[in-house]
This record gives sequence, C-alpha cells and structure tokens, in this order.
Amino acid sequence: KQEVTQIPAALSVPEGENLVLNCSFTDSAIYNLQWFRQDPGKGLTSLLLIQSSQREQTSGRLNASLDKSSGRSTLYIAASQPGDSATYLCAVLYGNKLVFGAGTILRVKS
Amino acid sequence: DGGITQSPKYLFRKEGQNVTLSCEQNLNHDAMYWYRQDPGQGLRLIYYSQIVNDFQKGDIAEGYSVSREKKESFPLTVTSAQKNPTAFYLCASSIQTTTSKETQYFGPGTRLLVL
Repeated sequence: KQEVTQIPAALSVPEGENLVLNCSFTDSAIYNLQWFRQDPGKGLTSLLLIQSSQREQTSGRLNASLDKSSGRSTLYIAASQPGDSATYLCAVLYGNKLVFGAGTILRVKS
Repeated sequence: DGGITQSPKYLFRKEGQNVTLSCEQNLNHDAMYWYRQDPGQGLRLIYYSQIVNDFQKGDIAEGYSVSREKKESFPLTVTSAQKNPTAFYLCASSIQTTTSKETQYFGPGTRLLVL
C-alpha cells in the first residue's frame, strides 16, 4: 500500500529559527514529490516539486530534498517568519494519483 | 485572472438530501480532481477526470457522483448514501493527470456540514 507519513505532526518555533519538516513514503516508484502549504480553511498552494530523477529543489528560503532509495524527503525552511505559520503537506505522485501525508502544523512565534 | 473557483464556501445538508458542490477552472486544464480532507488526515481522492465526458473513481468514491460535460466544470454531488459527509472538499486541476513536471492547482474549498 502506498502511504506517506509526515513527522512531526506539529511544530512550534521562535522567529528566526531554521527548521526541517520530514516526509517518508513506502513505495519508491514515484513520478514526483511535492510540498504544499495550506492556510487555515483555505486551499493548497504548491511550494516545490521534485521530479523522481532530481535530488533537490530550492525556492527562496525553502529547500526540499529527495532520497528515493530511502523513501524520504525533507523540507528545510531558513530564517522562519510568523508568516510561515501554516500546515505543510507532502504529496507523492504515483501514476495518476497524488498520495498525501497528514501534514505538519507549523507555528512560528514572534 | 486564471484559477479555480469553488462554491459555495459553506454548505449545509439535511439528512437524506443530495447536495452539489461546484468547481470551475479557467486554466484550460484537461484533468480535474475532487478530494476530501478530514481533520488530522491527508487529502483523499474521491474522483478524477482526465478529459471531458470521462471520469474515474478514486479511493473513496462511494456515496459521491460527478459529471464532466464541459472542460471548465467538474461538479461533485454528495448523495444520501454518503453517511459521513462532514468534511472539507477541495477541487484541483492540472494540465494532464500523468506528468512528472506539473503540479495540481487547488480551489479554496467547500466546507460541508450536516444539520
């Protein structure tokens, strides 16, 4: 069964800290891995997409890595800000289907 | 202004009633999707459509129905057979269903509550 797990479920950090969110997946036959952001009561916004042949992608203060062989991805957020507070979702594309983790709820305190 | 719109933002269903959630996109995407999100869980796929007049069941299709008569529109009906419909429903679209380079774009969601 294709499953995606995210650790931790929730994280609270002071402003300015660097932090890492973790994602693991059970089936390594992936097309891509994506990280999304969701604000409370809103839809999802795509942050980064890593194709199966790639190792990492960067956008501003965000860096995502992919290790297919171990079934892991990390999302690194540098110099966190209160505006980064949201739920971060990891999703893996298998064929036609995007399988989502349950998310990490991030709170950055000012 | 391109994007995906969902309506209504909140929807109340009485027992035994069918309700329909609207999803419209002006991104010229071929593929559209419906997901259900419950607290503390990831999104689960209800139905998806790769092209007009075609759609496929996802992981939790029981109690739901869809139609795809126009490229821009993919409405979801929650039938009385769905015994636990309270959830946040998200519609998404993408250029195609199977592409490693393209992401899905999501609407703002509809929250369905049972009276």
